[in-house]
Amino acid sequence: KAGVTQTPRYLIKTRGQQVTLSCSPISGHRSVSWYQQTPGQGLQFLFEYFSETQRNKGNFPGRFSGRQFSNSRSEMNVSTLELGDSALYLCASSTNTGELFFGEGSRLTVL
Amino acid sequence: GQNIDQPTEMTATEGAIVQINCTYQTSGFNGLFWYQQHAGEAPTFLSYNVLDGLEEKGRFSSFLSRSKGYSYLLLKELQMKDSASYLCAGRSSNDYKLSFGAGTTVTVRA
Repeated sequence: KAGVTQTPRYLIKTRGQQVTLSCSPISGHRSVSWYQQTPGQGLQFLFEYFSETQRNKGNFPGRFSGRQFSNSRSEMNVSTLELGDSALYLCASSTNTGELFFGEGSRLTVL
Repeated sequence: GQNIDQPTEMTATEGAIVQINCTYQTSGFNGLFWYQQHAGEAPTFLSYNVLDGLEEKGRFSSFLSRSKGYSYLLLKELQMKDSASYLCAGRSSNDYKLSFGAGTTVTVRA
């Protein structure tokens, strides 16, 4: 059974640009969550999608957005990038019990 | 969120035992997760506690006290490969969101 797949794994952008990250969940998992991980801050919850609807949202500015498609694949977008957006962005799909299965992450560097 | 608190770093010797404590706010609580994350890799699930008591899984055990808002992860017979960050996460009963602590970096020395 394939795990959670995130693309791209690494990317470099400059301030003001925008970025789109993609996540393919484990087959059969309908919930997809996104987290931002930075040193010292731990995992910060961005949002969760279930059946194409945003079910939960963290405390991030509106520059961070996401969506989920009918096949459960999800994308997140960050517009007008800032230096502080440099982080590892992790996607996780989950079962009904809430156990999260994480992808390897997309490491974003903003210059 | 759950306001998860755990130590930043711990160091132990190969073969020893280490206990990682985690505290959380008790209101709106619906379960406690532990994840392991090696440097440069994705977090992987270790344990889930929703009732009071000790859950044992091989060399790893996790304990929960709901009344005290307290959990610990016990790593026994430490191996070098156990050097990693251990993340404590509490789930809210209101919206089922997981709130993660900043993680405890465990370093195992020979």
